[in-house]
Amino acid sequence: DGGITQSPKYLFRKEGQNVTLSCEQNLNHDAMYWYRQDPGQGLRLIYYSQIVNDFQKGDIAEGYSVSREKKESFPLTVTSAQKNPTAFYLCASSIGGTTEAFFGQGTRLTVV
Amino acid sequence: KQEVTQIPAALSVPEGENLVLNCSFTDSAIYNLQWFRQDPGKGLTSLLLIQSSQREQTSGRLNASLDKSSGRSTLYIAASQPGDSATYLCAVDRSGYSTLTFGKGTMLLVSP
Repeated sequence: DGGITQSPKYLFRKEGQNVTLSCEQNLNHDAMYWYRQDPGQGLRLIYYSQIVNDFQKGDIAEGYSVSREKKESFPLTVTSAQKNPTAFYLCASSIGGTTEAFFGQGTRLTVV
Repeated sequence: KQEVTQIPAALSVPEGENLVLNCSFTDSAIYNLQWFRQDPGKGLTSLLLIQSSQREQTSGRLNASLDKSSGRSTLYIAASQPGDSATYLCAVDRSGYSTLTFGKGTMLLVSP
């Protein structure tokens, strides 16, 4: 059953802690993306990767970091430098180039 | 900077009506436009992708059109059903790498 798996579904973090969100895809897609969604706002691009071992900053990369060591995995770390991390995080993938993007079910991160 | 606007922000209709959702973008230099559906607390489901060279795409009761020169797209839903109730998001690829700029969405409620 092909798709994009994000885990966990809900995540709670204390202020000052780093936390890592998982994103795995078995679609054999080359490109992967991370977006953030806040109430009343459109999704905003955090980071994206077109190929293994390469990634680029999106519009709101400050306070986040990523790695792309395997084609199927693109974890996102929310660091303590991110001032307002509470949000819904969505991972996506595509074949590459200007093609259809597919999304996971999201991780809701709450800072407590 | 590309901006995407969706009108209306919310729409409530009785079952069976045909309806139109609107999307506009400020920079006509796009590679494609994609329509998504989002149910509460869930990820995004891709509905239709229109490449920049295309004028429209159809899938079942859905039809999306694209007018690049005027910076507009419409999503037409025929014979609406309660199961169509969701938020509909429009997004444009501004880079050719499926890095998407999203609108804030139209929240649709179809009443039985």
